[in-house]
Amino acid sequence: DIQMTQSPSSLSASVRDRVTITCRASQTIGNYLNWYQQKPGNAPKLLIYAASSLQSGVPSRFSGSGSGTDFTLTISSLQPEDFATYYCQQTYSNPWTFGHGTKVEIK
Amino acid sequence: EVQLVESGGGLVQPGGSLRLSCAASGLTFSSFEMNWVRQAPGKGLAWISYISRSGSTIYYADSVKGRFTISRDNAKNSLYLQMNSLRAEDTAVYYCARVSYGSGSQGLLDYWGQGTLVTVSS
Repeated sequence: DIQMTQSPSSLSASVRDRVTITCRASQTIGNYLNWYQQKPGNAPKLLIYAASSLQSGVPSRFSGSGSGTDFTLTISSLQPEDFATYYCQQTYSNPWTFGHGTKVEIK
Repeated sequence: EVQLVESGGGLVQPGGSLRLSCAASGLTFSSFEMNWVRQAPGKGLAWISYISRSGSTIYYADSVKGRFTISRDNAKNSLYLQMNSLRAEDTAVYYCARVSYGSGSQGLLDYWGQGTLVTVSS
């Protein structure tokens, strides 16, 4: 199975900060990498697919980059509603595996 | 509007069984592959099963293989997960999720249900 390693596991940031979350795959996965946001008590929400494509309706402050094994999710200007946990997921091969998550907390 | 609504969760003893359902509306259900994903309390997301549009192709995570069975009824717009030989470590919120394919993508989960909690405890 492909292992997905996210870093950091948590971070504290302030509103309007630029936030970067990293996801590394244990083997190359091309650009078959998705990012999800999850708020407490809610289902995950798709933000980014194919490493850098913004899902419809997702604010443009979210962006993704990378290919191969190293990927990044960036929030250009953190908003109050962005405090949540973020997960990466590879869909290069079965089983589709998730990272362990990055919790973004208020500083 | 696409809606996925899970049901069937609850408290069950170790070794017991449960059948989860996911009722789909607002989409042509037979046109979409589906997944089950679970989340143990305070933990991350874990993919557990996939089913193709016709049900002819199925995959399972090793952690549930041989104990869980995914199925679908396209006439009823419903997805199912039969869970047998349940263990304490199966305690989780179980989500059904729709598979889509955006440009350049090899799969993404764009709609999720609200989840149903399964608790395995004596």
